[in-house]
Amino acid sequence: DAGVTQSPTHLIKTRGQQVTLRCSPKSGHDTVSWYQQALGQGPQFIFQYYEEEERQRGNFPDRFSGHQFPNYSSELNVNALLLGDSALYLCASSVLEGEQYFGPGTRLTVT
Amino acid sequence: AQKVTQAQTEISVVEKEDVTLDCVYETRDTTYYLFWYKQPPSGELVFLIRRNSFDEQNEISGRYSWNFQKSTSSFNFTITASQVVDSAVYFCALSAASNDYKLSFGAGTTVTVRA
Repeated sequence: DAGVTQSPTHLIKTRGQQVTLRCSPKSGHDTVSWYQQALGQGPQFIFQYYEEEERQRGNFPDRFSGHQFPNYSSELNVNALLLGDSALYLCASSVLEGEQYFGPGTRLTVT
Repeated sequence: AQKVTQAQTEISVVEKEDVTLDCVYETRDTTYYLFWYKQPPSGELVFLIRRNSFDEQNEISGRYSWNFQKSTSSFNFTITASQVVDSAVYFCALSAASNDYKLSFGAGTTVTVRA
């Protein structure tokens, strides 16, 4: 049984560009949450998707958007990238309000 | 609002020593959950334990043990007889109904176990 998978593993983008990160949840999970983890800090909640809709959102600007597909996989999109968006982006899957299982993350570097 | 404080930034021990990681939390909810996660250098967060606010019984799992004290709003984690493989960043986290059960993480404690 595959756990949570994320792609790509690493990504380098230039300021102002747009990026899409992908996440496939653990089998049987229908909820996907995204977190941003800056270097040396704890993960910060971005948003959560359930039934293809954004269910909750953290304190992130509208440049951060997402999507969930009928197969429960999810994408995180970030527009107009800033240097401060450089971070490890973690995806976690769960059943609604259940324990969250994290993927290996995508390391985004903005230059 | 929820808040998790891990006052220890870094801890370095020699193999076989015990190490205790402190976690203090703040919440106005009466029902909440506390978690510990391990993040090895590979980056993936590994779930270690979840404890609900009504269960103050301490728990032991192998070399890991957890001490939950509501009176002091603390949920401390001890690794007994540490090993080099225990080297990682450890995060304490909190979720509660008033925050729609979003996970709020502490800043993490980096544990280095030297051979």
